[in-house]
Amino acid sequence: ILNVEQSPQSLHVQEGDSTNFTCSFPSSNFYALHWYRWETAKSPEALFVMTLNGDEKKKGRISATLNTKEGYSYLYIKGSQPEDSATYLCAPARGSGNTGKLIFGQGTTLQVKP
Amino acid sequence: DSGVTQTPKHLITATGQRVTLRCSPRSGDLSVYWYQQSLDQGLQFLIQYYNGEERAKGNILERFSAQQFPDLHSELNLSSLELGDSALYFCASSVGWDHTNQPQHFGDGTRLSIL
Repeated sequence: ILNVEQSPQSLHVQEGDSTNFTCSFPSSNFYALHWYRWETAKSPEALFVMTLNGDEKKKGRISATLNTKEGYSYLYIKGSQPEDSATYLCAPARGSGNTGKLIFGQGTTLQVKP
Repeated sequence: DSGVTQTPKHLITATGQRVTLRCSPRSGDLSVYWYQQSLDQGLQFLIQYYNGEERAKGNILERFSAQQFPDLHSELNLSSLELGDSALYFCASSVGWDHTNQPQHFGDGTRLSIL
């Protein structure tokens, strides 16, 4: 993996469905992995920052896991609601950690139908 | 409300012109970041300043420059504007200079349209 890859590119689910998407990134020089939610006409909002292999974070119905050895993170949404409709961005931070530079993926756009 | 303020919200200008985008970070944050989002492109990192000093640089064009002032607000200057510079420009801020466990807080963006 040379770049940040997020899959799927878009997803349509029914209200109440649970869903998950993937962020793949280069495992070398890993430092941290950020997840953001970006609703239409708003600005990106931080969900999680993860640093340790095996890390799991949870915020309400949204949770994320991290595998730094193989270079991927999963984001799960349990019981999707229409207000979860947004683009979910991941951004790995690589290098020595002495800057805040993030490289964002293209995102997964989630549409939850009532 | 993230606490990050960007002005103006919209800017319309012509090719060849110069514009200045302004950002006030969240209270207590020392780092400011600038990102560009063009049509069909993701968020592209441009530059980071920490406490007045440049900390990291992305693929920022030579026609673009930025600075962070003693009161920690930042300005992004775009000159000799081209049609391809039309984009949404975001400013974000964070407490420290690194990305260990600190999220970045984004402003609402400035939409720049070049005619």
